Amino acid sequence: QQQVRQSPQSLTVWEGETAILNCSYEDSTFNYFPWYQQFPGEGPALLISIRSVSDKKEDGRFTIFFNKREKKLSLHITDSQPGDSATYFCAASANSGTYQRFGTGTKLQVVP
Amino acid sequence: DPKIIQKPKYLVAVTGSEKILICEQYLGHNAMYWYRQSAKKPLEFMFSYSYQKLMDNQTASSRFQPQSSKKNHLDLQITALKPDDSATYFCASSQESSNERLFFGHGTKLSVL
Repeated sequence: QQQVRQSPQSLTVWEGETAILNCSYEDSTFNYFPWYQQFPGEGPALLISIRSVSDKKEDGRFTIFFNKREKKLSLHITDSQPGDSATYFCAASANSGTYQRFGTGTKLQVVP
Repeated sequence: DPKIIQKPKYLVAVTGSEKILICEQYLGHNAMYWYRQSAKKPLEFMFSYSYQKLMDNQTASSRFQPQSSKKNHLDLQITALKPDDSATYFCASSQESSNERLFFGHGTKLSVL
């Protein structure tokens, strides 16, 4: 079963707007949640991550909001730029885990 | 300079043949992984290794065999290739465990005819 879910599947925003990407998970032992950014023809690259002891993580225009009780998190991209157009993957892992589980991704397009 | 080298970048194979995908990492990491990406399953975990030992295998088929000849190498041998095996295969690594940042290679795009 899909342990990490993402929505929407695709998202289009205008340049300068805030893009909001959603992620949810099932396994309550998950405690590390990285977001990866992938451009066509390349491998995913870490964008920003959060651990379950925090409810918010900010890095420039990128912010993760984490709700442990509801098992949900979201990635906010403020002042979106055309260069942010990519696919974003939410992932999750646990201390005792042996691999990171990935969501199905959100394809973001930022229109100038 | 790419820190995780995957060879080849593109690979075309015929059904029933065997191929080896190469992965070398120069990050000094102790954990390595293989993921597969296709239109059906965006990033599907296959294998994880730690200190050259298999930690997890989520691949249903024995046609996929990882091979770790050196600490920084994790190759993937695929036998009796099928068209459904067509995908991009990504190698990744992390310092110690899966509970930290993964670094990915650029992938090997495999097409099985």
